[in-house]
Amino acid sequence: DTGVSQNPRHKITKRGQNVTFRCDPISEHNRLYWYRQTLGQGPEFLTYFQNEAQLEKSRLLSDRFSAERPKGSFSTLEIQRTEQGDSAMYLCASTSRAGGAPYGYTFGSGTRLTVV
Amino acid sequence: QKEVEQNSGPLSVPEGAIASLNCTYSDRGSQSFFWYRQYSGKSPELIMSIYSNGDKEDGRFTAQLNKASQYVSLLIRDSQPSDSATYLCAREGGNKLTFGGGTRVLVKP
Repeated sequence: DTGVSQNPRHKITKRGQNVTFRCDPISEHNRLYWYRQTLGQGPEFLTYFQNEAQLEKSRLLSDRFSAERPKGSFSTLEIQRTEQGDSAMYLCASTSRAGGAPYGYTFGSGTRLTVV
Repeated sequence: QKEVEQNSGPLSVPEGAIASLNCTYSDRGSQSFFWYRQYSGKSPELIMSIYSNGDKEDGRFTAQLNKASQYVSLLIRDSQPSDSATYLCAREGGNKLTFGGGTRVLVKP
């Protein structure tokens, strides 16, 4: 198991373009999370999936953001009509819930988005 | 009031000394807490989790939880220059982690 994998590592895009990021979680983890982090801040929750079901989206999440996890394995996060304010590190994390004590969330290396 | 609050630092610590980091939270229903270490430009790495009142030790790290006072702390003993990083405190609630802003720690040789 190689941990949580995110692609691409870096993305530079022009304002108004659409971008898509991919996350491959740890295989036995049934929960997958997307967070966004800007410089000097802690990660901010965006959305999460349990298996293929998207169970929660942050109220702060614009309609330009959409996420999918079609077969309960990998997930994609798409940002449409990007704005300069979308520039951030996008982090994916996964964890397992199998009853009992909760497990820590494992983060991927992140995708750094720069909108120019 | 933020859900999870940390002093942003930087906390400057001489090599070999103890670094003490604090975190307070607002939701009394919070049950699980996590400390992550984040090096500049990298993603968060889990170093400690704590669920019960009291202390939990793991190597040079000790996490302390006081639910009555709603704070979590992290002690780093025998601090090394490689401990220089931002330390993020997180609580789990509503099936997700909520993070504080992080405390930057600088360990000086």
